[in-house]
Amino acid sequence: EVQLVESGGGLVKPGGSLRLSCAASGFTFRDAWMNWVRQAPGKGLEWVGHIKSKSEGVATDYAAPVKGRFTISRDDSTNTLYLQINSLRTEDTAVYYCTTDIWTATKRDYWGQGTRVTVSS
Amino acid sequence: EIVLTQSPGTLSLSPGERATLSCRASQSVSSSYLAWYQRKPGQAPRLLIYGVSSRATGIPARFNGSGSGTDFTLTISRLEPEDFAVYFCQEYGNSPRTFGQGTKLEIK
Repeated sequence: EVQLVESGGGLVKPGGSLRLSCAASGFTFRDAWMNWVRQAPGKGLEWVGHIKSKSEGVATDYAAPVKGRFTISRDDSTNTLYLQINSLRTEDTAVYYCTTDIWTATKRDYWGQGTRVTVSS
Repeated sequence: EIVLTQSPGTLSLSPGERATLSCRASQSVSSSYLAWYQRKPGQAPRLLIYGVSSRATGIPARFNGSGSGTDFTLTISRLEPEDFAVYFCQEYGNSPRTFGQGTKLEIK
């Protein structure tokens, strides 16, 4: 069974930093492209960024609002995805989800339950 | 960056009726990488449709996706009570990937 479990959210002051983690199990993590998606209160879904597999150079890409402040990384030895968030702003307040890409072989994708980040003074 | 615009913002219908949700892209979506998600409070988004028209695992046949280029549609043929939720389209063939702003499907 595929499981994605995020952790690391919390309350942080503007300008602060957090590192979110996503523990993955039930699939071959090292081969998977992984995403972070967030949803701010009362807003829609927002793609944050993704990271490709090692075989594709572990390339990353980010949405414009987070580029330069957020860093996605992965540890294939522990099947863990990370999101380092620096220079936090109030508009970064959201629930952050880690997700797999859509797998056409199984006709689905997978999402974690989310971890809440609140940026407030 | 491809901008996705969904319409209407809110759709009020009754169970048993047909729902038609629109997603328009600011430029052509490459290789049909267009998906639809359902979002209910307290739950992770649920993939309904990928590749414009392929139903995801476990999705009932009343959900259908169609379209090409810049205009896409999600049709729910006969609404069930559990279908009232917020629906998002997503383009996932380019980077950055983007979501539409959502259509809220509410009970009339």
